[in-house]
Amino acid sequence: RKEVEQDPGPFNVPEGATVAFNCTYSNSASQSFFWYRQDCRKEPKLLMSVYSSGNEDGRFTAQLNRASQYISLLIRDSKLSDSATYLCVVMLFSGGYNKLIFGAGTRLAVHP
Amino acid sequence: DGGITQSPKYLFRKEGQNVTLSCEQNLNHDAMYWYRQDPGQGLRLIYYSQIVNDFQKGDIAEGYSVSREKKESFPLTVTSAQKNPTAFYLCASSISTGAGNTIYFGEGSWLTVV
Repeated sequence: RKEVEQDPGPFNVPEGATVAFNCTYSNSASQSFFWYRQDCRKEPKLLMSVYSSGNEDGRFTAQLNRASQYISLLIRDSKLSDSATYLCVVMLFSGGYNKLIFGAGTRLAVHP
Repeated sequence: DGGITQSPKYLFRKEGQNVTLSCEQNLNHDAMYWYRQDPGQGLRLIYYSQIVNDFQKGDIAEGYSVSREKKESFPLTVTSAQKNPTAFYLCASSISTGAGNTIYFGEGSWLTVV
């Protein structure tokens, strides 16, 4: 079983749609959680951190369920510019340092 | 502007050759990392360094080597021992390897073996 699992997609949605990404992680000792966005052939960029209480940044809402080891990202009112791959990232302390583990990503394609 | 600079962006290598990818940061970050990304897969850690003159193997260090002689520089050498080197290589840095520290990436280097 992969340490961080995501649906690979692609998710093809029209502009204005609401889309949800899900992610599960296997290590219950994981400490911090993030969503990164990666455009085609570019580096990943931090979209938002994920907190147990849930957090929102404009059209983006992230939630964490530690009991189920599940992270989600909701995008409301999708824009064409939201088309990208969304990476779920988990941090845990391992081997003497805080290790980042990346999911393979879910690709989103927003069309007119 | 502060940031992480990787070079070259595109590199072609013949089988059996070593190549070195450059990574420079002016963010004054202590921690630096090298990741590899293959199509349809998540990033995998090759090496990381928490401080000058110190570095540690990540999950897939075989066939790679690094050095950290200066705080701002963390070059990666892909040796001929790396059997499948064609990939997208990403250098990153953070203030430290402690919890909650955001990791920033360079623009990446595409290595193709021909």
